[in-house]
Amino acid sequence: AQSVAQPEDQVNVAEGNPLTVKCTYSVSGNPYLFWYVQYPNRGLQFLLKYITGDNLVKGSYGFEAEFNKSQTSFHLKKPSALVSDSALYFCAVTRGNSGYSTLTFGKGTMLLVSP
Amino acid sequence: GAGVSQSPSNKVTEKGKDVELRCDPISGHTALYWYRQSLGQGLEFLIYFQGNSAPDKSGLPSDRFSAERTGGSVSTLTIQRTQQEDSAVYLCASSLGLAGGRSYNEQFFGPGTRLTVL
Repeated sequence: AQSVAQPEDQVNVAEGNPLTVKCTYSVSGNPYLFWYVQYPNRGLQFLLKYITGDNLVKGSYGFEAEFNKSQTSFHLKKPSALVSDSALYFCAVTRGNSGYSTLTFGKGTMLLVSP
Repeated sequence: GAGVSQSPSNKVTEKGKDVELRCDPISGHTALYWYRQSLGQGLEFLIYFQGNSAPDKSGLPSDRFSAERTGGSVSTLTIQRTQQEDSAVYLCASSLGLAGGRSYNEQFFGPGTRLTVL
């Protein structure tokens, strides 16, 4: 079975400071990893994905994530947070190179960026 | 272009009534997914369609839940004899699926339908 853990329910950071939202995963074989963001009363928006290649993946709105196979992690990062980044962030994993497999989401991390 | 749309945006119903939720995927997306999002529970997978067939129904919580997809496009999720525990936001997503030249593509989500069962 595959799973995702987002150990922090909430992350607080001041505007202008770097932010990290943590994600670890468990899946058999090679993982495909995703980050999504959800603003209030909205659906999920795709931020970035890791399929293969460079471990550092760059995505929308200045976000990036680093795939670390040995630590089975895919932490989301941004060098300088904005108040508008405040939202709910979801990490997701699926089993790669296998045709279809279910996308499993973490429970989400609320990011609050203070002015 | 147009994204994934869902209707209604909000639905309030009485316990025991049936409800139908609709999803219009992005044109050309062959894969369609339904999820349920409950407060503090994250996203719970319900069902996956590839074209009009549903090769993965493993997330449907009971036989009161069913879904269909017609013409490889619109999908409806039906909940019969609703219960209070069915109250949640129901999200639909679509992706290029197996037609995209790769075995997996990112999913694009609709705004959801908030279901409240009184």
